[in-house]
Amino acid sequence: GAGVSQTPSNKVTEKGKYVELRCDPISGHTALYWYRQSLGQGPEFLIYFQGTGAADDSGLPNDRFFAVRPEGSVSTLKIQRTERGDSAVYLCASSPDDFTSGPPDTQYFGPGTRLTVL
Amino acid sequence: DQQVKQNSPSLSVQEGRISILNCDYTNSMFDYFLWYKKYPAEGPTFLISISSIKDKNEDGRFTVFLNKSAKHLSLHIVPSQPGDSAVYFCATSGGSNYKLTFGKGTLLTVNP
Repeated sequence: GAGVSQTPSNKVTEKGKYVELRCDPISGHTALYWYRQSLGQGPEFLIYFQGTGAADDSGLPNDRFFAVRPEGSVSTLKIQRTERGDSAVYLCASSPDDFTSGPPDTQYFGPGTRLTVL
Repeated sequence: DQQVKQNSPSLSVQEGRISILNCDYTNSMFDYFLWYKKYPAEGPTFLISISSIKDKNEDGRFTVFLNKSAKHLSLHIVPSQPGDSAVYFCATSGGSNYKLTFGKGTLLTVNP
C-alpha cells in the first residue's frame, strides 16, 4: 500500500514569508507526528496528533509554528515569518497506535520536505 | 543536553564482516529502543526494536543488544552487505510512549 507522502519535496522561501508543508499519512493510521531534522542532527519531535487533536505540541519551537489535522487524516505544518534557522528537513510519520496498551507501534516516516529559508 | 548519543559519526566495514553500531542514553525512563535506517532523500525506515524487559532481539542479519545497567545498546549486522550503507539512527521512547528521541546518527559504509 501507499506510504506516508509529503509535499512539496523541496521548498525555498525568503526570510519573513509564510509556508505550509503537507503530510498524507498511511490510510487508517490514527497517530501522526511531525519531526524536524537539522543538518548533522537526528530528527527532533515537534508535535503529535491523535485523530484530529494535537495531543502533544511541546516540541514546537515557538508560536510561529502551528499544525492542524482537521479531518484526522492529512496534516499541514504552518510556519509564519520564516527565519533562516528554520531551514531543515521536516519529516512526517504515522502509526496505527492508540497507545492503550503494549509497546508503541512502529512509526512510518515520509521522505520529508526540505525547507530552505534564504 | 543530548539524551541519546551516537558517538561515532561514521563507520566503514568490509563486505561480509560484522558492523557494530553503538548508542548510549541517559534517561532511565526510556523503556523502548529502536534502530532506524536512512538512505539519502528518503525518510527513516524502521529496522529493529527492543523492549527494556529483554536484552537481545534478533531479526535475520540484524541483532540489537540492550545493557540497561550501562544504558547502552548496540546494533550488530552480520554479514554486512553494500546495500546496508546508510545512516543508522538509534531512537528511544518512554513514559509518553509516542515521542521518539533520536541520536545524531552513524553513517555506515560497507565496502565491496
